[in-house]
Formats: sequence, C-alpha cells, structure tokens
Amino acid sequence: QQQVKQSPQSLIVQKGGISIINCAYENTAFDYFPWYQQFPGKGPALLIAIRPDVSEKKEGRFTISFNKSAKQFSLHIMDSQPGDSATYFCAASNDSGAGSYQLTFGKGTKLSVIP
Amino acid sequence: EADIYQTPRYLVIGTGKKITLECSQTMGHDKMYWYQQDPGMELHLIHYSYGVNSTEKGDLSSESTVSRIRTEHFPLTLESARPSHTSQYLCASSLGQGLDEQFFGPGTRLTVL
Repeated sequence: QQQVKQSPQSLIVQKGGISIINCAYENTAFDYFPWYQQFPGKGPALLIAIRPDVSEKKEGRFTISFNKSAKQFSLHIMDSQPGDSATYFCAASNDSGAGSYQLTFGKGTKLSVIP
Repeated sequence: EADIYQTPRYLVIGTGKKITLECSQTMGHDKMYWYQQDPGMELHLIHYSYGVNSTEKGDLSSESTVSRIRTEHFPLTLESARPSHTSQYLCASSLGQGLDEQFFGPGTRLTVL
C-alpha cells in the first residue's frame, strides 16, 4: 500500500509558466516532507523541505504548500525554465524509533519545460 | 555536489553470478542507505546503517546483503543474481541527526540476463 501518492505522473509546461505537483499522504505520524529533484543519470538531490508547523515555504522559484487537515502538500515552480526539466519526487518521514527517520517516496513526476 | 560515489555505474551480468555494488562517501556521515528504483517508480529502501557494524533491513524485502566495516564504505552484495534483480540501485548518506538531508550517489544500473 503506497503511503505517499503523487500526481501527475508527467507534466509539460511552457517556459515561464507555473509547474504544480501534488502529493497526498495517509500516515498522520509523518512530520517531515522533502521534495527531491532527479536529473537523468544522477541521483536525487534535495530541493526543498517543510515541517507541518508551517503552511508554506518558499526558496527562490520553488514553493511548498502544506495542508495538514487535508494531508496534502504540493510543489510550485514559478517561472519554469527548461533547466527545471527533471523528475521530482515528494517524500515523507517520521521518527520510526531510536532517532531513525525513514523516507517514503512518491512515484515521481517527470517535468518537461518547453521553450 | 555531494561526495558520494557508486561503482560500477552500469553492470550487465548473467544469472547466478555474485556481484558487489560499491558505495563510498567522504563526508563522514554516520547513516547510509540503499534504495532500489525501477523506471517510473518510487525509491524503495532496502537497507540502511546507523554506523559502523550496524545494518538494518528496509521496507522492501531484498535478497541482497550489506556490510558496514568502515564509516565511509557501505557495499551491497547479491550472492546469486537473477533477472528479477534488474533495477537501479541508489546509495545515500546523511549526518544521522534527526530530520537531516540525504545525499544520493549517481546510482548503479544493474541488468541480469
């Protein structure tokens, strides 16, 4: 049973547009929600992360919106650029004991930004 | 860029062979992880380690084994590879202090014929 559901599976956005990727989770014990960016041939890299005590976090063109009651969070990429074309993974984690935080990943969204 | 390395990057082998996928990090991180990633699918945690001589199994059952004799080194071994093991294997590390960032290596793409 997948604990983090991510949509859409793929996304095509015009350069300068807004890219929006959504994730929903089931485990109310999750308390850390990172987004990872993965380029072809590379491992994922942390893009931005949020804790549930805030509803929004912004870093440059990237914003996470978090809705605790709906158990949903989303990534917004403003002014999308061709260089943003990559696969994006949402993830969630919580303390599973002894200070161990295991990440549960969504299935990923392949973003293509066209000129 | 993260200082975490994986070798080989690509491996094609026959069924029944023993293989070891190497992972090394130069950041002095205590925690290390192995994930399995199939095309278009999420990453699944198969092994992790809190530090030297510590190894734990992840959420996804795997026939592979790991060892952690040195802080910087976390190899993954398959005693007898099968076509079902064909996948991408990603190694990661983190400081191990609560909700800290995981740094990923570039991955090893394994194909078992």
